[in-house]
Amino acid sequence: DVKVTQSSRYLVKRTGEKVFLECVQDMDHENMFWYRQDPGLGLRLIYFSYDVKMKEKGDIPEGYSVSREKKERFSLILESASTNQTSMYLCASSAGTGIDEQYFGPGTRLTVT
Amino acid sequence: GENVEQHPSTLSVQEGDSAVIKCTYSDSASNYFPWYKQELGKRPQLIIDIRSNVGEKKDQRIAVTLNKTAKHFSLHITETQPEDSAVYFCAASIGGSNYKLTFGKGTLLTVNP
Repeated sequence: DVKVTQSSRYLVKRTGEKVFLECVQDMDHENMFWYRQDPGLGLRLIYFSYDVKMKEKGDIPEGYSVSREKKERFSLILESASTNQTSMYLCASSAGTGIDEQYFGPGTRLTVT
Repeated sequence: GENVEQHPSTLSVQEGDSAVIKCTYSDSASNYFPWYKQELGKRPQLIIDIRSNVGEKKDQRIAVTLNKTAKHFSLHITETQPEDSAVYFCAASIGGSNYKLTFGKGTLLTVNP
């Protein structure tokens, strides 16, 4: 079974703090993704990575950056957290052999106060 | 960019009835159309997908149909059961990309016993 894990289920941070969300997959997948899920807005792609140290912006990259130093780990960074970044953050991975099933992590509920 | 519209946003059916969720997409180059189910408090999971060279695909009580000319695809669930209650997301591959998906905003399906 593919396992995608995220470092925290719930996180509370203050405005202006630097926030790191970590995601790890154990299936040697090439692609990793960060989404944000808000009620009524579905899943929106923030960033994705198709190889180590390779990344591309998604639909809503503003205020976020990412890091992928190792194949199994993909980090989402909020350089200076703001209240409008309060959301559920979902990480996903896919094998990379063309367009394929994405496997999601359990999500991190981030609250910025 | 790709735009995916999903309807309805909420759907309530009686156990045993059928449920249909419809999605339209804008990018004619899209060629992969998955459906994800997200139960309350859990991660999205793929339930069925279809590729552009196929018009219909069935897996037990669920089926997906694709009309490439009209750029729409639908999820059909027959003989609904209370455990089918969840949020369902459609998605379409972003034309020209082998990795990225654009998701619809989701449909909350409630199956009443």
